[in-house]
Amino acid sequence: SAVISQKPSRDICQRGTSLTIQCQVDSQVTMMFWYRQQPGQSLTLIATANQGSEATYESGFVIDKFPISRPNLTFSTLTVSNMSPEDSSIYLCSVEDRGQGAGYTFGSGTRLTVV
Amino acid sequence: GNSVTQMEGPVTLSEEAFLTINCTYTATGYPSLFWYVQYPGEGLQLLLKATKADDKGSNKGFEATYRKETTSFHLEKGSVQVSDSAVYFCASTGGFKTIFGAGTRLFVKA
Repeated sequence: SAVISQKPSRDICQRGTSLTIQCQVDSQVTMMFWYRQQPGQSLTLIATANQGSEATYESGFVIDKFPISRPNLTFSTLTVSNMSPEDSSIYLCSVEDRGQGAGYTFGSGTRLTVV
Repeated sequence: GNSVTQMEGPVTLSEEAFLTINCTYTATGYPSLFWYVQYPGEGLQLLLKATKADDKGSNKGFEATYRKETTSFHLEKGSVQVSDSAVYFCASTGGFKTIFGAGTRLFVKA
């Protein structure tokens, strides 16, 4: 399965600032997924990022708040903009393993605390 | 819409006890089913999977069987260890969408 390097692993940010999270995959993948995991809760899909096109956002998430870049088939970034304490969460990127139904590989996550 | 429901935690067991974490799903069509594990401070790791009815996924002593008739995918382990303490997520994938359950936290005491 793919190996994902995600950084930063954690950060403490001031409200009103922005943080960009990076994910690097060791193989070319068509789609990358960005999730949010709020404290003590399950994962919620933020958006799906395809190379060469705009990301597709899920209900409740907008591009102005969570801009995503996908410059090539091995890399993506998620920015959390104009942060507030409610954005404190773990953010994870994910790719599908080879073969439909194979499951997904996740990055190790970015633990964000907004103060 | 599709959904995944898993038993609430936390679940606290003594070492070598039998573990069951229930998971049921609703879906149109026939999704693939997964269990993921999240150890403290880490991301999710795929634990096991099953892609069609009656398939049994297994890994590290954990098992789960895809039961279409009861729309279930319960996770079991015959003898848990302290190192199994983690949060376990049941998930259903149809098309390119994955739905996760709320997660069940497992504590195993020595």
